[in-house]
Amino acid sequence: GDSVTQMEGPVTLSEEAFLTINCTYTATGYPSLFWYVQYPGEGLQLLLKATKADDKGSNKGFEATYRKETTSFHLEKGSVQVSDSAVYFCALSARGYSTLTFGKGTMLLVSP
Amino acid sequence: GAVVSQHPSRVICKSGTSVKIECRSLDFQATTMFWYRQFPKKSLMLMATSNEGSKATYEQGVEKDKFLINHASLTLSTLTVTSAHPEDSSFYICSAYATEAFFGQGTRLTVV
Repeated sequence: GDSVTQMEGPVTLSEEAFLTINCTYTATGYPSLFWYVQYPGEGLQLLLKATKADDKGSNKGFEATYRKETTSFHLEKGSVQVSDSAVYFCALSARGYSTLTFGKGTMLLVSP
Repeated sequence: GAVVSQHPSRVICKSGTSVKIECRSLDFQATTMFWYRQFPKKSLMLMATSNEGSKATYEQGVEKDKFLINHASLTLSTLTVTSAHPEDSSFYICSAYATEAFFGQGTRLTVV
């Protein structure tokens, strides 16, 4: 079945450091790929998405590129801020846009 | 963006009792809502798809008699955990689809 694997956390960085959170997937067909973010005490929010190979999703300084050849969708940000501290979930949709398969989530902790 | 409200955010109940969790779409109508469960350090797992006015569709391995889902209106779906046991302790989160999936804040259920 469909699955998403993302790196274990927590990821601990200093402010202005470069961030990479790895995500790989297994799916039949051509899924859409997503990154969601969950700030403390809040629900999941869509951060960015890509719907086909080589698409790059970007938002709030974060970006991820849909790599079909490596079945990956790694999340990157050039300079993280304390306010980026949250849990990040990689997800895919292969059964219809509304049904999602999630990774385990990666907690990011950014210190001043 | 659209808002999905989930209530309560935390609940502690005694073993053998039932607990109801509400999921409301505040500013849009949702014919379909989704219920997920997250175990510690594991992915969010889709439990069931809640369809307004009809029976929910449960994922394989989810006990429909234990996790009762009612989608009585276009803005409200409820999940009732019946005869709760400590192994039902988990984080439950709902989502509703409107151009994208919008998530509630989640409910931390602890059964003692």
